Amino acid sequence: DADVTQTPRNRITKTGKRIMLECSQTKGHDRMYWYRQDPGLGLRLIYYSFDVKDINKGEISDGYSVSRQAQAKFSLSLESAIPNQTALYFCATSDFRQGPSADTQYFGPGTRLTVL
Amino acid sequence: SQKIEQNSEALNIQEGKTATLTCNYTNYSPAYLQWYRQDPGRGPVFLLLIRENEKEKRKERLKVTFDTTLKQSLFHITASQPADSATYLCALPSSGGSYIPTFGRGTSLIVHP
Repeated sequence: DADVTQTPRNRITKTGKRIMLECSQTKGHDRMYWYRQDPGLGLRLIYYSFDVKDINKGEISDGYSVSRQAQAKFSLSLESAIPNQTALYFCATSDFRQGPSADTQYFGPGTRLTVL
Repeated sequence: SQKIEQNSEALNIQEGKTATLTCNYTNYSPAYLQWYRQDPGRGPVFLLLIRENEKEKRKERLKVTFDTTLKQSLFHITASQPADSATYLCALPSSGGSYIPTFGRGTSLIVHP
């Protein structure tokens, strides 16, 4: 079984709809992240969480919200989807408890979201 | 914030040659630097981490160097194979103690048989 899973893997929705992307991990890591990736723009950080009670905005948080329901679960919501939120979304985890230089990122398989 | 520069043009090389990819950064010198591989439509996969006090790190056919004076890391793949074709990303942690990573946009490597 994959260590970091994302659901759904693909989603097509319409402008104005509320969308939730879910991420689960079995690695026991403390940190979780949400990124979006657009062609030519690379990975951009949306939100990150150090633990269940510590959630922080990333570079491009406008239009998104998150929830860390448990150490293993981190959800990303688009309250009212718009076409320019069409992108590939990745969840990632890392284990900062081993020290910063062990804090490598483990990515999920991604969710391809299309907003019409 | 850190600015990371990776060559946006694809690197095309012949099988068996050494591929060299560059990652340049501005501002502060990070405590370490990481390299990831990303295949189309898939999540990045961690390859190597090099710390600021290390000049060079090797793993099988991979070699990474880190020059904090030049603010540059080089990523080498020796005896390259078509299966090495992918996009390679470098990532640096933020300053201030949180170590949140910032990723470069990546360089596409294409190895021709």
